[in-house]
Amino acid sequence: RKEVEQDPGPFNVPEGATVAFNCTYSNSASQSFFWYRQDCRKEPKLLMSVYSSGNEDGRFTAQLNRASQYISLLIRDSKLSDSATYLCVVNLGSTGRRALTFGSGTRLQVQP
Amino acid sequence: NAGVTQTPKFRILKIGQSMTLQCAQDMNHNYMYWYRQDPGMGLKLIYYSVGAGITDKGEVPNGYNVSRSTTEDFPLRLELAAPSQTSVYFCASSFGRRETQYFGPGTRLLVL
Repeated sequence: RKEVEQDPGPFNVPEGATVAFNCTYSNSASQSFFWYRQDCRKEPKLLMSVYSSGNEDGRFTAQLNRASQYISLLIRDSKLSDSATYLCVVNLGSTGRRALTFGSGTRLQVQP
Repeated sequence: NAGVTQTPKFRILKIGQSMTLQCAQDMNHNYMYWYRQDPGMGLKLIYYSVGAGITDKGEVPNGYNVSRSTTEDFPLRLELAAPSQTSVYFCASSFGRRETQYFGPGTRLLVL
């Protein structure tokens, strides 16, 4: 089983739609969680951290479910500019590696 | 602040050649990382460093070497380039282990 797993998509949605992505992780001792956004041929950039109680940033809502070992990202009122690949990132601190583990990403295409 | 800078942006190597990918950050971050990203895949950690003089292997270190003589610089050395090393290489830095990682713009490497 992959340490961090995402549906690669693509998710094709019309402008204004609500879309949600899930990401599962294998290590129950994982300590911190993030969503990064990566535009085509560009570097990843932090979209938002994911907190245990869930958190919201404008149109974006992130949730963490430790019992089921997944995190989610909800995008409301999708914009054309939201088209990108969304990377789920988990800190698997208990493995001894000190860096983050990236999922392969979920591609979102918002259509006019 | 320039953030994380990488040079070169693009390079073509012949099999067996060597090169150094440069990475520098001006944010006084302790942690620095090298990742590679193959087409349609997630980022794989090659090496990381928790401070000047300290480096450690990530998930895919074979064929690469690193050094960290200063806080600012973290070069990645490719010895005896192979076609399997064709990829996009991203350097990143963070203040602490669980903190946000900031990425450079990447170096596209083609080995023929």
